[in-house]
Amino acid sequence: NAGVTQTPKFQVLKTGQSMTLQCAQDMNHNSMYWYRQDPGMGLRLIYYSASEGTTDKGEVPNGYNVSRLNKREFSLRLESAAPSQTSVYFCASSGTGAYGYTFGSGTRLTVV
Amino acid sequence: GENVEQHPSTLSVQEGDSAVIKCTYSDSASNYFPWYKQELGKGPQLIIDIRSNVGEKKDQRIAVTLNKTAKHFSLHITETQPEDSAVYFCAASTPLSGGYNKLIFGAGTRLAVHP
Repeated sequence: NAGVTQTPKFQVLKTGQSMTLQCAQDMNHNSMYWYRQDPGMGLRLIYYSASEGTTDKGEVPNGYNVSRLNKREFSLRLESAAPSQTSVYFCASSGTGAYGYTFGSGTRLTVV
Repeated sequence: GENVEQHPSTLSVQEGDSAVIKCTYSDSASNYFPWYKQELGKGPQLIIDIRSNVGEKKDQRIAVTLNKTAKHFSLHITETQPEDSAVYFCAASTPLSGGYNKLIFGAGTRLAVHP
């Protein structure tokens, strides 16, 4: 049981480049989330998808787009990377109702 | 908007001592309160949770208490060990339409347990 799988684990981008962070879960969860975590800071919600076919903005959506490809997969895209987007990105998923999230192991992104 | 405050931001204890982390939440509709442990270089992992119809829950050395009236909940770790050293996050659920929920996280507490 893999849980939540994120790829890649590490990435270095130049300013202005684009990339897509991939996330897949195998727990048949309805809801999926993208967070960023900056050094010494907590988890800030970028976007979430409560169910397949829906996406909504979180606290810090600027500079990002998301796609809920199917029930398993939720991708995060940076169209034009900026140094301020240097962070660790976590994907998470949860079942319907008030349940805890299962997090992936993160993608460490550096934009130079 | 919804908010979860967590204190302290850092906590240093001697091995064998107890550690307590406290959180307050703002949304009276919150009914689920998980706690996560994040070790260096890893994603947060759920360690214990409590629902609003329960006042206290215990799992070995870890316990969580909830005071709905005061909108407070706390994590208690007894007989701390060096492997308890990590960042701990509290969270409170916020209901969305369709039966879904969103978690609002506290800012985290960095716990250091010294041998």
